[in-house]
Amino acid sequence: QKEVEQNSGPLSVPEGAIASLNCTYSDRGSQSFFWYRQYSGKSPELIMFIYSNGDKEDGRFTAQLNKASQYVSLLIRDSQPSDSATYLCAVNRGSNYQLIWGAGTKLIIKP
Amino acid sequence: EAGVVQSPRYKIIEKKQPVAFWCNPISGHNTLYWYLQNLGQGPELLIRYENEEAVDDSQLPKDRFSAERLKGVDSTLKIQPAELGDSAVYLCASSLDGTEETQYFGPGTRLLVL
Repeated sequence: QKEVEQNSGPLSVPEGAIASLNCTYSDRGSQSFFWYRQYSGKSPELIMFIYSNGDKEDGRFTAQLNKASQYVSLLIRDSQPSDSATYLCAVNRGSNYQLIWGAGTKLIIKP
Repeated sequence: EAGVVQSPRYKIIEKKQPVAFWCNPISGHNTLYWYLQNLGQGPELLIRYENEEAVDDSQLPKDRFSAERLKGVDSTLKIQPAELGDSAVYLCASSLDGTEETQYFGPGTRLLVL
């Protein structure tokens, strides 16, 4: 079992709809959770992070964390073609500050 | 504020040749990371520095890879000799310190070993 798992996709969503990306992790001691976006041929860029159970909203993006079930999700409202990218989930290892990365989910927003 | 700078952006070498990558982190960031990313995969940590000290190099293949961060600012990652399987993107990232987990990435160096 990988420490951080994501569905590789591609996930295809029509423009204007809600895109839902999921990530599960294995280390119950993990405290910090990050979503990064990576465009093809570019480096990862931070979208948002979440530390506490529940929802955290930032513009069109909402991160949801459920530590009991060990999953974190990212919702993108009013999806735009420019949201088409690979979304990487990163989780800190509870024993140190190292981030463990998922393989990413490729999101395609269809005009 | 300038971001993380890396050079070169692209490198093509023949196997068994040496290669070096350079990284300049965001000013004031004490923690520096070198990652390797293969196509369709997430970044894999090679080494993490806190100032000049390598605090996590457990994933660095020390038979051929080496890294240094003299003076706690710039860093260089070297491969000698390169193998075909080393073809990947090498990413440098920095964060404010070891307890600040938000990492900021440079543009990466795309290495192709022929």
